[in-house]
Parts: sequence; C-alpha cells; structure tokens
Amino acid sequence: DTGVSQDPRHKITKRGQNVTFRCDPISEHNRLYWYRQTLGQGPEFLTYFQNEAQLEKSRLLSDRFSAERPKGSFSTLEIQRTEQGDSAMYLCASSLVAGYSPLHFGNGTRLTVT
Amino acid sequence: DQQVKQNSPSLSVQEGRISILNCDYTNSMFDYFLWYKKYPAEGPTFLISISSIKDKNEDGRFTVFLNKSAKHLSLHIVPSQPGDSAVYFCAAIKETSGSRLTFGEGTQLTVNP
Repeated sequence: DTGVSQDPRHKITKRGQNVTFRCDPISEHNRLYWYRQTLGQGPEFLTYFQNEAQLEKSRLLSDRFSAERPKGSFSTLEIQRTEQGDSAMYLCASSLVAGYSPLHFGNGTRLTVT
Repeated sequence: DQQVKQNSPSLSVQEGRISILNCDYTNSMFDYFLWYKKYPAEGPTFLISISSIKDKNEDGRFTVFLNKSAKHLSLHIVPSQPGDSAVYFCAAIKETSGSRLTFGEGTQLTVNP
C-alpha cells in the first residue's frame, strides 16, 4: 500500500487553459475526496465520491470544475478556462466507508495560473 | 462562515515542554473531531481524534481534550520534540456529511531545540 498518489505534483498553466489532475486512492478505500488549499488556510472541501457516485459538491465547485471517478478507482479533477484565482494546492484524500474513518491525503497538486 | 477556527497562526515552544494548540467551533452538529499534522510539500496526516461523547483521548505524547459546552478543543503534545514542528489543523465532522471534514486555518508549531 503506497498511500494516496496524485499526479502531477506541480502544474503551471496560462489563464484560460484547461488542466486535469489525477488521484489514485488507497486501493480498498471506497470514498474519495477533493479539497483545495490556499496559503494560510485549511483545506476546503470540493467534492466527494463513494465508489463511482459523486455524492456531494461544494458551492465552491463552479461549473468550470468537473470531477469523475469512472470505475470507482482513480479520479480526475478538471478545471476549464483556468483563472488566476484557481491557483492553489489541490488535495485528494480517500477513506473507508466505516463510521468516522480518517481521511488519508495525498501530497497534492500545486496549480499556478499565470 | 468559518465554522472551525484556530485563532493562533503560530506557536513556538522549547523542546521538552508542553505544546497546547487550541481550536473553537460554532456548529453544534459536529460530532467528531480530528487533528491533522502537515509538513511542507506533503499532504496532511491524521494524528488523533475524539468523539463528541468523550472529553479526552490520549495516544502517546498526544492528548486531545474536548469541552462541548464551550465548543472548544485542544491538542496537548508533551514532551514536544523538534520533529513535531509542522502546521496543525483541527477538523470536524457531522455524522450526516459523509466524512466531509471542515478544517480550521491551521497553527504553525515550531519546537526549538
């Protein structure tokens, strides 16, 4: 078990471009979460999946953001028409569906929009 | 609406002394609380948790205290070690929210040798 893996670690893009991030959760974990963290703040919830079903989306997730988990394993987060305000660390986490199972986070993808 | 608040952005302590990190929350529906530690360039890692039906949970050098009436929790680290230097996040869950964590802003702990 290598933990939650995120790719890429860093992404620099120009405003208006589309970007896609990938997350591979811990293999036996049913739940997968996306969070965003900006400097000086704690992680903010974006969305989560249970298996392949997207069960909740934050109001922070504008229609330029879309997340998928097609086979209930890895997930992708796409941001279309990026804006400078999208610059942040994007964190993926996974957990078991069992009471208050702690979330296990990946090391994140740092996005810089120039 | 900051439902989980860590009012101290930073804390500095001497090695071997106690570190006390504080956290306040406003939503009485929260029923489980966690502390995460984050080193630079890494994701947060789970440290310790406490259910709202308890007032204390201990794991080695780490103890979390919960005061429900005051909507306050604290993390005690004793003795503090230089390797404990990191950002500490308090987080809370509502049972109905599918393990969705609401985080505080974090406190940077520095333990000086």
